[in-house]
Amino acid sequence: EIVLTQSPGTLSLSPGERAALSCRASQSVSSTSLAWYQQKPGQAPRLLIYGASSRATGIPDRFSGSGSGTDFTLTISRLEPEDFAVFYCQQHESSPSTFGQGTKLEIK
Amino acid sequence: EVQLVESGGGLVQPGRSLRLSCAASGFTFDDYALVWVRQAAGKGLEWVSGISWDSGSIGYADSVQGRFTISRDNAQNSLFLQMYSLRPEDSALYFCARSPYGDYVGFPYDYWGQGTLVTVSS
Repeated sequence: EIVLTQSPGTLSLSPGERAALSCRASQSVSSTSLAWYQQKPGQAPRLLIYGASSRATGIPDRFSGSGSGTDFTLTISRLEPEDFAVFYCQQHESSPSTFGQGTKLEIK
Repeated sequence: EVQLVESGGGLVQPGRSLRLSCAASGFTFDDYALVWVRQAAGKGLEWVSGISWDSGSIGYADSVQGRFTISRDNAQNSLFLQMYSLRPEDSALYFCARSPYGDYVGFPYDYWGQGTLVTVSS
């Protein structure tokens, strides 16, 4: 089973700032098999990024993904108030699919 | 509009069974694979089980293997999760989600339901 470790656990930033969230895999993951989700309180997760760097439908271009192998990053270029949430990375290359433990992005 | 609506959750005693359902609409159900993902209170996401479009490929997390059974009824646009021998650690919000293709391996999940809550307690 591939273990995904996200860092930091909590990130405190202000609107307008840039956020960089990390996801590290215990073994190499194909870039086509790495996704990012955003989850707000009381809501289901929402797909943000698939294939490590492709934005899902309707996702603003301030969200971007990068990385390869074992190290992946989700970047939010300029934080909007509605961006504050918990973010999860996921590998779906092999079964079972696994998720990182999440990074909470909170308003500073 | 794609919709996934889970039901069947509730309070159940340890060792008992429960059957979850997920009703789908707004898309051609038998073109897509589906999965169950759960989230314990205040915790992260855990993949539980997946099923391909034709039920030909099925998988389970080690934590539920042998106790849970996933199935689907393409005629009724429904997904199910039969849970046996429930344990307190199975308590969670259970989401059904859709893969954008016919297999659940190799693809992210583009639509999610709002979840149904399962509580296992005496």
